[in-house]
Amino acid sequence: DTGVSQDPRHKITKRGQNVTFRCDPISEHNRLYWYRQTLGQGPEFLTYFQNEAQLEKSRLLSDRFSAERPKGSFSTLEIQRTEQGDSAMYLCASTQGPPNTGELFFGEGSRLTVL
Amino acid sequence: KQEVTQIPAALSVPEGENLVLNCSFTDSAIYNLQWFRQDPGKGLTSLLLIQSSQREQTSGRLNASLDKSSGRSTLYIAASQPGDSATYLCAANTGFQKLVFGTGTRLLVSP
Repeated sequence: DTGVSQDPRHKITKRGQNVTFRCDPISEHNRLYWYRQTLGQGPEFLTYFQNEAQLEKSRLLSDRFSAERPKGSFSTLEIQRTEQGDSAMYLCASTQGPPNTGELFFGEGSRLTVL
Repeated sequence: KQEVTQIPAALSVPEGENLVLNCSFTDSAIYNLQWFRQDPGKGLTSLLLIQSSQREQTSGRLNASLDKSSGRSTLYIAASQPGDSATYLCAANTGFQKLVFGTGTRLLVSP
């Protein structure tokens, strides 16, 4: 068990391009989360999945953002038509067990810079 | 809407000092509270999780307390070391591990 894995760790792109991030959770963790962290701030909740079902999306997640977890294992977060305001660290986390009882384990994050 | 505040924003101490980091939250209806450590440019490392029914959790030199009624949690670090230098974040679980984070306390421990 190597923990939550995210790829790529860093992505530099030009405004208007699409980017995709991948997250591999800790094996057998059924819940997977995406958070976004901007410089000097704490992370903010974006969305979460239980198995393959996306159960909640924050209003921070505009229609340019889409997340999937097709087989209940890894997840992808795609940002279309990137804007400079999308520059941030995108963090993935996973957990298991009854809701509201377990720790959330985070990956190392994917840092996005939009030029 | 839940809001989490951490005080102080930054703290600089000499090695060996005991220190306390503070976290306050506006809505006491939380399921648990989690403390994390974040090194520059890195992800979050979970330190301690306190369930809403608990008052304290300990792990090594770390002790976290929770007072739901007053909306406060503290993280106590004993005998600080230079390796403890990092940003410490607290996060309140508002349901289904949708965490609301504070902005963190940046700690520097000097040798």
